[in-house]
Amino acid sequence: KQEVTQIPAALSVPEGENLVLNCSFTDSAIYNLQWFRQDPGKGLTSLLLIQSSQREQTSGRLNASLDKSSGRSTLYIAASQPGDSATYLCAVSVNTGFQKLVFGTGTRLLVSP
Amino acid sequence: DVKVTQSSRYLVKRTGEKVFLECVQDMDHENMFWYRQDPGLGLRLIYFSYDVKMKEKGDIPEGYSVSREKKERFSLILESASTNQTSMYLCASSLTGAERSQHFGDGTRLSIL
Repeated sequence: KQEVTQIPAALSVPEGENLVLNCSFTDSAIYNLQWFRQDPGKGLTSLLLIQSSQREQTSGRLNASLDKSSGRSTLYIAASQPGDSATYLCAVSVNTGFQKLVFGTGTRLLVSP
Repeated sequence: DVKVTQSSRYLVKRTGEKVFLECVQDMDHENMFWYRQDPGLGLRLIYFSYDVKMKEKGDIPEGYSVSREKKERFSLILESASTNQTSMYLCASSLTGAERSQHFGDGTRLSIL
């Protein structure tokens, strides 16, 4: 059974720092890995999707990498801002057609001015 | 932009009631999903549907059923609500394919008294 773990559970940094969030998964037979952002009391917003054949994806200040063989992904946030404060969730897709996702429990990020 | 709309942001019901949670998407997505989110447990898949009138059980289907009579609408039904079903419920939709991300609604916070 696929399990997804995110470390750390919470992170507090001053504005301007570069930071890395970690995600690990137990079964390397995945079809994609997705990073989401969740603001308090809200739904999830998709940030980046890395297909199993890819190594990384970038969007603005965000860069996500995928190492399937070791079961790891990282989300790199450059020059963090207070507006980046949110919970970041990692999820892996275990079915190519129906996109069944298995989620980690998230990293709660606080960026202080 | 894809819009996934959940009918209620907050809902309070009583034990034993039959509860309906509604979700509508406007982008002709084949796949729709219902999750619940609980502190420390993350998002867990309740049911998903890959076509009209088709449904598949997720990881925690007990006590729930679903209905998909039209492509754009996916309903979650709590047959006889219990206090352990108090949770945040999130609906999502997607197209089929490993390169497709899921799009989430803002969630319904359901309290069962």
